Amino acid sequence: KNEVEQSPQNLTAQEGEFITINCSYSVGISALHWLQQHPGGGIVSLFMLSSGKKKHGRLIATINIQEKHSSLHITASHPRDSAVYICAVTNSGGSNYKLTFGKGTLLTVNP
Amino acid sequence: NAGVMQNPRHLVRRRGQEARLRCSPMKGHSHVYWYRQLPEEGLKFMVYLQKENIIDESGMPKERFSAEFPKEGPSILRIQQVVRGDSAAYFCASSPLSGVSNQPQHFGDGTRLSIL
Repeated sequence: KNEVEQSPQNLTAQEGEFITINCSYSVGISALHWLQQHPGGGIVSLFMLSSGKKKHGRLIATINIQEKHSSLHITASHPRDSAVYICAVTNSGGSNYKLTFGKGTLLTVNP
Repeated sequence: NAGVMQNPRHLVRRRGQEARLRCSPMKGHSHVYWYRQLPEEGLKFMVYLQKENIIDESGMPKERFSAEFPKEGPSILRIQQVVRGDSAAYFCASSPLSGVSNQPQHFGDGTRLSIL
């Protein structure tokens, strides 16, 4: 079992829909990261959080440390949001620079 | 451009050749990380370097792979005698000098390595 599990693996939505991508992890962490990767493109860091909730524009990330679960929400989705969204964690302890990644969620937003 | 710069963006090599991937971190960043993304798989940590030091290479294959981050110039990931299984996207990330290791990492656009 992977240390970081994401669901769903693939997600198709219509423009304007509210999107939720989930991430569960099985290890103690010092932080959780949400990243965005466009096909053939680079990786952009969206959020780094260790508790609570963060918001940036139409993106919201939440984390529940007790349940070892995080969600990434996109409000009023748009075709330009189509990308792979990757959850990653940095473990608590000495190696807290090392990111462990989920396999990603491929989001397609249709106009 | 203040971002993490990787070059080349695409690299094609024949089996047995050497591949050199370069990464210039963001200005003011002295921590560099290399990750590999195999086809249909997630990203995997390879190595963490600071200037002139390898801090953690636990994700590096034991043979043919090496990394350096010299005092001057970019970080280099070197793969000797490449094989088909080395075909992947290689990403570099950097973080600031602050000494706090749990920092957001800033990623480059990656190098897509194809082995013929």
